Amino acid sequence: EAQVTQNPRYLITVTGKKLTVTCSQNMNHEYMSWYRQDPGLGLRQIYYSMNVEVTDKGDVPEGYKVSRKEKRNFPLILESPSPNQTSLYFCASSLLRGSYNEQFFGPGTRLTVL
Amino acid sequence: AQSVTQPDIHITVSEGASLELRCNYSYGATPYLFWYVQSPGQGLQLLLKYFSGDTLVQGIKGFEAEFKRSQSSFNLRKPSVHWSDAAEYFCAVESSNFGNEKLTFGTGTRLTIIP
Repeated sequence: EAQVTQNPRYLITVTGKKLTVTCSQNMNHEYMSWYRQDPGLGLRQIYYSMNVEVTDKGDVPEGYKVSRKEKRNFPLILESPSPNQTSLYFCASSLLRGSYNEQFFGPGTRLTVL
Repeated sequence: AQSVTQPDIHITVSEGASLELRCNYSYGATPYLFWYVQSPGQGLQLLLKYFSGDTLVQGIKGFEAEFKRSQSSFNLRKPSVHWSDAAEYFCAVESSNFGNEKLTFGTGTRLTIIP
């Protein structure tokens, strides 16, 4: 089944404790992206990647890192989480434009930073 | 910069009634437009998309949307809602800037269905 998976689905942590949220897709998509969803703000892009070893900042990258060492994986790293990073996080993937592609979203990771 | 406005934060509709959710966008070029639905505790599911051509697009679950360039709108409609349609709905516009296929989302409309 074609899908985007994220782990963990729920996470409660404390300020300053490094964490990684994994994202994996099995559709051989070049493009992957991370969004955060906050009430009243919709979804905002954190980082994106056009292919292996090609990543760049989105609209709200502060406090986050990413890596793209393999095509299928795009982990989101919070080196020193803070309470303002409490949010619902979504990973998405797609083929690059040229094929009227849609973006496929993972199930989300709900993060609470105390 | 592109933007999406969903003017209705919350809409309540009786089961079996018709539904229209509003979406206005701002984008300099021809927009790629999407409607996603998020059921409670779930991820985002694509309802429908518009890239070009026919301005009335059909989606899943009986939804449709009409693209009106003159009004910069992409409203979502359903002739008769079901209790299972209760969810949050997001309109989005995709921009492509140096390869970033970014989706800019509206703030969402929460739909409540009453019996």
